[in-house]
Amino acid sequence: DIQLTQSPSFLSASVGDRVTITCRASQGISTYLAWYQQKPGKAPKLLIHGASTLQSGVPSRFSGSRSGTEFTLTISSLQPEDFATYYCQQVNTYPHTFGGGTKVEI
Amino acid sequence: EVQLVQSGAEMKKSGESLRISCKTSGFTFTTYWIGWVRQMPGKGLEWMAVIYPGDSDTRYSPSFQGQVTISADKSINTAYLEWSSLRASDTAIYYCARTASSSWKVPFDYWGQGTLLTVSS
Repeated sequence: DIQLTQSPSFLSASVGDRVTITCRASQGISTYLAWYQQKPGKAPKLLIHGASTLQSGVPSRFSGSRSGTEFTLTISSLQPEDFATYYCQQVNTYPHTFGGGTKVEI
Repeated sequence: EVQLVQSGAEMKKSGESLRISCKTSGFTFTTYWIGWVRQMPGKGLEWMAVIYPGDSDTRYSPSFQGQVTISADKSINTAYLEWSSLRASDTAIYYCARTASSSWKVPFDYWGQGTLLTVSS
């Protein structure tokens, strides 16, 4: 299985901060990486696919990038509704594994 | 409108069998992959399995192969996840989800509301 290592696991931030979350794949996955947001008691929501393509309806303050096997989710200016847990997922090879998650808290 | 509506919460005992469902609407069921994702209490997301209802092609994570069975009924646009003998460690929320296209190399874009399974020993 392809392992995805997210960092940090926990992030404390304030409204207006620029936040960066990293996801490192154990082997090459091209751009077959997605990012999700999950709020307590809710199903995950797709934010980004193809490493950098914003899902329809997702605010432009979210962006994704890739450098080799390292992927980054950036929130340019953190909003109150962005406090949640974020997961990366690779869809290059079955099983389509998820990263361990990053919880963004105030 | 795309919808995935899952069956309700279940409380079962170890050794019992169970099938949970995911009823879909608003899209052509046979042309998308439907998958199941586990989330144990306070933990992260785990990809379990997917099925392509069009031809019943299935793929399992090695971690779940032999532990669960994924299936689909095209006549009622519903996917299922089944256990033959539950264990306490199966206690979790189970989400069904649809892939963003008929390709197998795309993420899940629509999700069900989750089914909470509690297994007591």
